[in-house]
Amino acid sequence: QQQVKQSPQSLIVQKGGISIINCAYENTAFDYFPWYQQFPGKGPALLIAIRPDVSEKKEGRFTISFNKSAKQFSLHIMDSQPGDSATYFCAASKWGETSGSRLTFGEGTQLTVNP
Amino acid sequence: KAGVTQTPRYLIKTRGQQVTLSCSPISGHRSVSWYQQTPGQGLQFLFEYFSETQRNKGNFPGRFSGRQFSNSRSEMNVSTLELGDSALYLCASSWAVPQETQYFGPGTRLLVL
Repeated sequence: QQQVKQSPQSLIVQKGGISIINCAYENTAFDYFPWYQQFPGKGPALLIAIRPDVSEKKEGRFTISFNKSAKQFSLHIMDSQPGDSATYFCAASKWGETSGSRLTFGEGTQLTVNP
Repeated sequence: KAGVTQTPRYLIKTRGQQVTLSCSPISGHRSVSWYQQTPGQGLQFLFEYFSETQRNKGNFPGRFSGRQFSNSRSEMNVSTLELGDSALYLCASSWAVPQETQYFGPGTRLLVL
């Protein structure tokens, strides 16, 4: 019930193209869905996040689409650039006053943007 | 504002030894979480500390432990190291409020020989 499934495992797009990464979750108690970007040798950095009461959130070239009934959410990267080449992780968490929050991560997607 | 810092950045140990990793959270953050990252298992939650108390724990054996100090700095300890403990250990800090952002440090790369 705590799993988050992410696909594809790897993705290659051309510069200027759209990158789409999908995630599905099982636990309906999750209330926060962030996406993290990780470059080699670095820790994950928050890219964009969404709450389940919102169906879409856009920040610059990055958009999260959220489908609560299907328990799925996706990351769209518009006008993909070589500098976007990194590993992307979706995650989910639920807040508890005494338990705090713990991130459950997807398996990760290795994105390569060719120039 | 300085980010999350972790020391050491790299560590080589042998089986059976123990290791202590350190994490300094972003100033003002009261919650510190630890995650293990491996190619096979991905990113897995170890535990979370808030106000010097362990508030949440993942599915790791008792060899993995941690603590938090009054200044919110945290340490994690792994005793009786096994080859499978080789991983990137990441620390994340946050304000400890609902739907919050967790900010990650660069990690400590542990190699067990």
